[in-house]
Amino acid sequence: AQSVTQPDIHITVSEGASLELRCNYSYGATPYLFWYVQSPGQGLQLLLKYFSGDTLVQGIKGFEAEFKRSQSSFNLRKPSVHWSDAAEYFCAVGAGGNKLVFGAGTILRVKS
Amino acid sequence: DADVTQTPRNRITKTGKRIMLECSQTKGHDRMYWYRQDPGLGLRLIYYSFDVKDINKGEISDGYSVSRQAQAKFSLSLESAIPNQTALYFCATSDDRTSGNNEQFFGPGTRLTVL
Repeated sequence: AQSVTQPDIHITVSEGASLELRCNYSYGATPYLFWYVQSPGQGLQLLLKYFSGDTLVQGIKGFEAEFKRSQSSFNLRKPSVHWSDAAEYFCAVGAGGNKLVFGAGTILRVKS
Repeated sequence: DADVTQTPRNRITKTGKRIMLECSQTKGHDRMYWYRQDPGLGLRLIYYSFDVKDINKGEISDGYSVSRQAQAKFSLSLESAIPNQTALYFCATSDDRTSGNNEQFFGPGTRLTVL
């Protein structure tokens, strides 16, 4: 069965510092991979997605993610974090039939 | 206006009460989903529907039921609420014309507290 692991429950970074959020997935075929962000009191917003092709995917708000098949990973990165990036981030894998399996989430705190 | 709306946004109820959460969408998508979010567990799928006559159980359907009244509306019911159903509930939609890409669009969530 498909699964997603986000090893870090909480991450704190300083404003202006770089960010990497880890995501590992388990899936038998070429996966569809997603990163969503949930700001406090808000629904989930899609940051970026990977279906095929270029393994480095650009998203909104200056985020990018790299698909590494050999490591079953899809880590999210941002070169310089802003205070407004504080939120919870979810990695998800397509589970067939338009279903998604989500990781447990990583809460990002940004300190000034 | 939001493409996926949920009502109510917040609800406090008592154990044993029947509760209905509603979801409406203007995206014209056929596929709709209900998830619950619990801290440290991410989102887990409760039920999903691929069209008006189609209802499927998800990972954690026990204690819940759904109704797909129309393409645009998908309701989640708790027949007899219990405290461990306290959670944040999300509705989502996806477009079957892009079958396979799995991208889903989420509503703002309903925070349910069962006392």
